[in-house]
Amino acid sequence: QVQLVQSGTEVKKPGASVKVSCQTSGYTFTDHFMHWVRQAPGQGLEWMGWISPRNGDTKYAQNFQGRVTMTRDTSINTAYMEMFSLTSDDTAVYYCARGAGGHLGQGTLVTVSS
Amino acid sequence: QTVVTQEPSLTVSPGGTVTLTCGSSTGAVASGHYPYWFQQKPGQAPRTLIYDISKKHSWTPARFSGSLLGGKAALTLSGVQTEDEAEYYCLLHYGDVQGVFGGGTKLTVL
Repeated sequence: QVQLVQSGTEVKKPGASVKVSCQTSGYTFTDHFMHWVRQAPGQGLEWMGWISPRNGDTKYAQNFQGRVTMTRDTSINTAYMEMFSLTSDDTAVYYCARGAGGHLGQGTLVTVSS
Repeated sequence: QTVVTQEPSLTVSPGGTVTLTCGSSTGAVASGHYPYWFQQKPGQAPRTLIYDISKKHSWTPARFSGSLLGGKAALTLSGVQTEDEAEYYCLLHYGDVQGVFGGGTKLTVL
């Protein structure tokens, strides 16, 4: 079955960067886009962007352009989301989500605090 | 900036039927928006119930169904159970597969 397993909780200081991984199994990694979504405490879901594992093409939401990079490693069926210049507003749970069905990872809590 | 609109809250009695809707500021929601519906219970990660208007996952209870209704995407719950009390989010896709979430509907069952 389709599984998306994300990396663990991160605590970062303002101005730092974070890289979250999403290891997949149960399907052909390159067949479907990988989306990233986040949810700040007490808030709704926010779509961040996608990467095509097949060719590495990306599309970022306007709010994240220039501050987020999505990459992938097809040799280990893993997608990554890296965010730079973190502020307290980036404190959230980050989810990877497979296109074509929306299977979600378990989420990664990123806390940004001085 | 594109806005996706959902009812902020709805209340339904157990055993009843309720329809949640998802509208777009750009006009009528169509199949090309590939509507998704997510359910999130307090303290839990969201899970996808419906994708591409009406497709279900193996874990999606039969009482949930998706459709296009009156220019909006719709999620209908028939025979509501207390366990369906949750926040429901819709997601629409626009050009270049850019996603926009609605603000969520808090469904209360009582």
